[in-house]
Amino acid sequence: RKEVEQDPGPFNVPEGATVAFNCTYSNSASQSFFWYRQDCRKEPKLLMSVYSSGNEDGRFTAQLNRASQYISLLIRDSKLSDSATYLCVVNGRYSGGGADGLTFGKGTHLIIQP
Amino acid sequence: EPEVTQTPSHQVTQMGQEVILRCVPISNHLYFYWYRQILGQKVEFLVSFYNNEISEKSEIFDDQFSVERPDGSNFTLKIRSTKLEDSAMYFCASLRETQYFGPGTRLLVL
Repeated sequence: RKEVEQDPGPFNVPEGATVAFNCTYSNSASQSFFWYRQDCRKEPKLLMSVYSSGNEDGRFTAQLNRASQYISLLIRDSKLSDSATYLCVVNGRYSGGGADGLTFGKGTHLIIQP
Repeated sequence: EPEVTQTPSHQVTQMGQEVILRCVPISNHLYFYWYRQILGQKVEFLVSFYNNEISEKSEIFDDQFSVERPDGSNFTLKIRSTKLEDSAMYFCASLRETQYFGPGTRLLVL
């Protein structure tokens, strides 16, 4: 059974702080990895893909450890607008889907406090 | 920027009724998907669709569900006889490199 596990939080973090959270996935055959962001009652929106070498997009850094089946997300200089639920997502294909659906974690709830 | 659109945004129905949820995927995308999210739960894959047929479906996607691409733009999810537990947010997605999600239809079955 394909599973993605995340700490649901909430993480309460002061504005400007650095916050990190992670997830683990059970399917060792997973090939593509993503962080999506979901605001309350809205659709998931792609935040960033996660590559084996690690990648950065502005204040966001994602890391993948295939051996441990572990994915992380680091947010630096957090903003009030970063408050959301962060979804760890994996897929069995090299692309973002193909025939396979995405497997979602339940999400980590982040609250940035002024 | 092109977006996936979904209608209606909200649907209330009586148990046992049929509902059709509609999606317009992004025009040059080839794979289409339906997901659902029960309130407070994770997003769950229902079905993928490619070249006018189902590519893969989850165990949730039983005989009560069907999908169709009736024309060149619309992609529909039909639930034949709704149950209380079908109440959820239903998201359509389409794929080009990554999956882009529509805003969802909130279905409430009474």
